[in-house]
Amino acid sequence: EAGVTQFPSHSVIEKGQTVTLRCDPISGHDNLYWYRRVMGKEIKFLLHFVKESKQDESGMPNNRFLAERTGGTYSTLKVQPAELEDSGVYFCASSPMAKAAPLHFGNGTRLTVT
Amino acid sequence: KQEVTQIPAALSVPEGENLVLNCSFTDSAIYNLQWFRQDPGKGLTSLLLIQSSQREQTSGRLNASLDKSSGRSTLYIAASQPGDSATYLCAVKETSGSRLTFGEGTQLTVNP
Repeated sequence: EAGVTQFPSHSVIEKGQTVTLRCDPISGHDNLYWYRRVMGKEIKFLLHFVKESKQDESGMPNNRFLAERTGGTYSTLKVQPAELEDSGVYFCASSPMAKAAPLHFGNGTRLTVT
Repeated sequence: KQEVTQIPAALSVPEGENLVLNCSFTDSAIYNLQWFRQDPGKGLTSLLLIQSSQREQTSGRLNASLDKSSGRSTLYIAASQPGDSATYLCAVKETSGSRLTFGEGTQLTVNP
C-alpha cells in the first residue's frame, strides 16, 4: 500500500507570503494528524482530523494557520501570512480508527521562511 | 502536561555493540508508547508500539520495554550496525485524546 504522501518536500518563501502544504493519507485511514518540528525542538502536535471533522486543533499556534480536510481524504495546511518562526518541518500522519493502531508518518515538508 | 525526555541526546558506538536508549515521561496515564526512527531528510518510521498493558515488544534486533508506573521505556538494540545510524524518537499517546507527545530524540551513530 502507498504510504502517507506530502507535497511539496521543500518550500522556500518570503515573510508575508502564503504557503499551502498538502497531505495524502493512507487510503482508508480516518485519522489524519499534522505535526511540526522547529529547529532544535521536539516534534509537536498541531491538529487532528477524524474524517473531515477537526477533532482537536489545540496545537495550532495561531490563526495564521488553517487546516482543511474536505471530503475526508487529503488535507491541506495553509500558512498566511508566513512569519520567520514558522520555519520547520511539517509532518503529516494517518492511522485507522482504532486508538491502539500506530501512526504512519509522511516524509514531511521542510518550510523555510526568509 | 505530559513531557517526554530522551537520554542521551547523542550516542556514538562502534559496530557490534549492544546499546540502550532511554525515554521517560511525566504522566503515567498513557495509552501506548511508540518508538520511531528518522533518517536525515526522511519521515518517521515506526519501529515498535507498546500498549499500556504490555511490558515489552520485540522486532528482530530491537526490543522495547515499558514500565508505566515509573514512567520509563528503553529501546535495546543488539549487535548494532552502521545502518542503524539515525535519530530515534519516543512518543506517548495519552489515555485521553489521540495526540502523540514526542521526546527530542537520540541521535545514534554506529561506526564501522
